[in-house]
Amino acid sequence: QKEVEQNSGPLSVPEGAIASLNCTYSDRGSQSFFWYRQYSGKSPELIMFIYSNGDKEDGRFTAQLNKASQYVSLLIRDSQPSDSATYLCAVTADDKIIFGKGTRLHILP
Amino acid sequence: NAGVTQTPKFRILKIGQSMTLQCTQDMNHNYMYWYRQDPGMGLKLIYYSVGAGITDKGEVPNGYNVSRSTTEDFPLRLELAAPSQTSVYFCASSIAGESTDTQYFGPGTRLTVL
Repeated sequence: QKEVEQNSGPLSVPEGAIASLNCTYSDRGSQSFFWYRQYSGKSPELIMFIYSNGDKEDGRFTAQLNKASQYVSLLIRDSQPSDSATYLCAVTADDKIIFGKGTRLHILP
Repeated sequence: NAGVTQTPKFRILKIGQSMTLQCTQDMNHNYMYWYRQDPGMGLKLIYYSVGAGITDKGEVPNGYNVSRSTTEDFPLRLELAAPSQTSVYFCASSIAGESTDTQYFGPGTRLTVL
């Protein structure tokens, strides 16, 4: 069973600080990695994807991938109250995408 | 573009009833997906389709059926509804099945089976 593991949280971070979200996956053959944001009662929306080892930056968001450790993370700089949401890590496996259970992030004003 | 639309938004079913969840996309995407999301859980793939006339099972297909007669539509059929099918159902689409493709999600259908 291919799995994606995330800490369910909630993760509480003061406004303006850096939020760090982590994800591990079991399939060494996984090639692409996604971070989705899901507000309560809403559908997921893609924030970033990454498929090469290292860092990928987009505005306040940075995705980090370490395939050797089977680990992917998302950093959110200058956290805002609007960043409060559940963040889903997703990983490709056998032509499908497997989602983690998500980490609830709460930004404290 | 409306993107991915789903109907109905909410539905309550009695055990044993049947219903069809509708999903339509106007982006001319080849790939379409059905997921369910239970409270506090991630998304589980039910069925997916790589194009009109082609469907395949995902991780949790039991109790569901799908069809894909057109590129735009991908309805999900529940036969003999059971309480275990209480969930939020999301339809999604992507241009192709490339590993870097973005999946665009519909707003979801909240289903309760009593």
